[in-house]
Amino acid sequence: QVQLVQSGAEVKKPGSSVKVSCKASGGTFGGSAISWVRQAPGQGFEWMGGIIPIYGTTKYAQKFQDRAVITADESTSTVYMELSSLRSEDSAVYYCARAVASANYFYYMDVWGKGTTVTVSS
Amino acid sequence: DIQMTQSPSTLSASVGDRVTITCRASQSITNWLAWYQQKPGKAPKLLIYKASTLETGVPSRFSGSGSGTEFTLTISSLQPDDFATYYCQQYHRYLTFGQGTKVEIK
Repeated sequence: QVQLVQSGAEVKKPGSSVKVSCKASGGTFGGSAISWVRQAPGQGFEWMGGIIPIYGTTKYAQKFQDRAVITADESTSTVYMELSSLRSEDSAVYYCARAVASANYFYYMDVWGKGTTVTVSS
Repeated sequence: DIQMTQSPSTLSASVGDRVTITCRASQSITNWLAWYQQKPGKAPKLLIYKASTLETGVPSRFSGSGSGTEFTLTISSLQPDDFATYYCQQYHRYLTFGQGTKVEIK
């Protein structure tokens, strides 16, 4: 069973960028898609976007279209999510998750990483 | 965006109770709906997808129903391990989540 191992917590200044990694352990991504979902303190979930490496497909929620970049390195089974122009409202736990998906659509998530806490503070 | 609205926001129940959580979509999502359980400090766990299909390994006391705009998650007999927050998520058009329903001990 694949596990998703995320990078450690980050503290960033407003206006800077953060890059979070998600590595498949115990397997490879294979044909899997990976979604990024965030959860602000005490709040619900926001889907940010995802990548389907086998198809070269990347999709973003409209809210994150201009600030998020999701990439994949299949040689190391690692997916990255970079968020730029950080503001305090971006402070959240960022999760990567294996997504059931088709060539162009993301569905639900069946395996989740443990999350990476990103704190944006001056 | 498709808005997902869950009710209630908080539910107080006892072990053994039958519990029902409702999720309404702002437009029809046919049956493209998933349910997750989240415990404090933990990642979500997939319970149900395609509105009513139980994920492998999830106890049969969990069930899902509905189509179109109205969906329910039912726990037939609440167990101590079920006290958690539950979220619905649509995947008809992109992905959006409900705001969550916390199931707490009565």
